[in-house]
Amino acid sequence: ELVLTQSPATLSLSPGERATLFCRASQSVSSSLVWYQQRPGQAPRLLIYDTSNRATGIPARFSGSGSGTDFTLTISSLRPEDFAVYYCQQRNNGRHSFGQGTKLEIK
Amino acid sequence: DVQLVESGGGLVQPGGSLTLSCVGSGFSFGVTTMSWVRQAPGKGLEWVANKKEDGSDESYVDSVKGRFIISRDNSQNSLFLQMNSLRDEDTAVYYCGRGGRKYFDAWGHGTLVTVSS
Repeated sequence: ELVLTQSPATLSLSPGERATLFCRASQSVSSSLVWYQQRPGQAPRLLIYDTSNRATGIPARFSGSGSGTDFTLTISSLRPEDFAVYYCQQRNNGRHSFGQGTKLEIK
Repeated sequence: DVQLVESGGGLVQPGGSLTLSCVGSGFSFGVTTMSWVRQAPGKGLEWVANKKEDGSDESYVDSVKGRFIISRDNSQNSLFLQMNSLRDEDTAVYYCGRGGRKYFDAWGHGTLVTVSS
């Protein structure tokens, strides 16, 4: 079973700062690593698919990178609406796995 | 606009059954794999099941195999999740998601299922 481990669990930053979130897979995966954003009380929203492709309507300040077992989501300059929980996800052997999430909070 | 609307959640006793529904609009439902993803209170996301567009194949997370059944009616743009032998740990918000081959690119607002005596 593929396990995705996100770090840090909580990230405290100020608006305008750069955020870097990590997702590590328990085994090497294809390029199909995905990132979602979930604001309080809302459904998740697709941000990044295939490791580095922004979904429709996602601002350019969001970017994804990585390969093998280590992946990164970067938010170049935080806006107030970016403070939320972020999840990584990958499909392996017909099953989907999510990371446990990183909470991005205002410092 | 793509829209997914879930319904059918509620309070059910352990061992009971419940069927969730999801109606999609704004896209070609019949050519899209569809999925259910759940989120226990205060916890992260957990994929539950998905069904291919033509109904030919379905997959489940191990914890619900043999208890939950995913189905769809493309003529009604609808996805269903029949949940049997419900347990306390099935308590969650259940989201309907468009996709499931690699990712979920649209989500409903969710419907809350509470399993409690």
